[in-house]
Amino acid sequence: QPVLTQSSSASASLGSSVKLTCTLSSGHRNYIIAWHQQQPGKAPRYLMKLEGSGSYNKGSGVPDRFSGSSSGADRYLTISNLQSEDEADYYCETWDSNSWVFGGGTKLTVL
Amino acid sequence: QLQLQESGPGLVKPSETLSLNCTVSGGSISSTVYYWGWIRQPPGKGLEWIGSIYYSGSTYYNPSLKSRVTISVDTSKNQFSLKLSSVTAADTAVYYCARHVAATGTRMIDYWGQGTLVTVSS
Repeated sequence: QPVLTQSSSASASLGSSVKLTCTLSSGHRNYIIAWHQQQPGKAPRYLMKLEGSGSYNKGSGVPDRFSGSSSGADRYLTISNLQSEDEADYYCETWDSNSWVFGGGTKLTVL
Repeated sequence: QLQLQESGPGLVKPSETLSLNCTVSGGSISSTVYYWGWIRQPPGKGLEWIGSIYYSGSTYYNPSLKSRVTISVDTSKNQFSLKLSSVTAADTAVYYCARHVAATGTRMIDYWGQGTLVTVSS
């Protein structure tokens, strides 16, 4: 069963960029993940699927400011030109056979 | 536009069974390319996968909850359901229904319901 590790918090200034990290456990470094955004008081929203190669596919309506990349066991979500509405919790998700697991989430504060 | 809507009691007594439905609109629950799942989020905490079901009725459960969870599907109503037995205060959470892709190597959630808060209290 894979384990996903995320930093609990991150912060960046309005208009800047931030890179969030999700790390896959040993033996699962090639796994595909998904990123989800959860704005305060709202349901999560699917952002993108991200492969170990760094290839990503975004969900409908996800702004161009959101992009993904990978390095080894690390999966990244980069948000450029940060807006106030990007202040949210960000979760990564992966799966193994027919079970699913989430990372603990990163709370992003836009300063 | 796909929509998933959770429904059910917002308050459940300890030791009783929590029951929720998820009604799918804008798409068919009988599609062969999707699973349908339940995820929960205790207040102030992260997301926990509870279990998922395929339209055929095949079910997959989180091992930590498996003994208490039953997920079923009603294709005639385009609806799937969650039952969680012997609830305690630790089961208080926002419960989300969601759609997972069911393609080879790709199983991520791509749509979420709005969620419903269930409180376990006497």
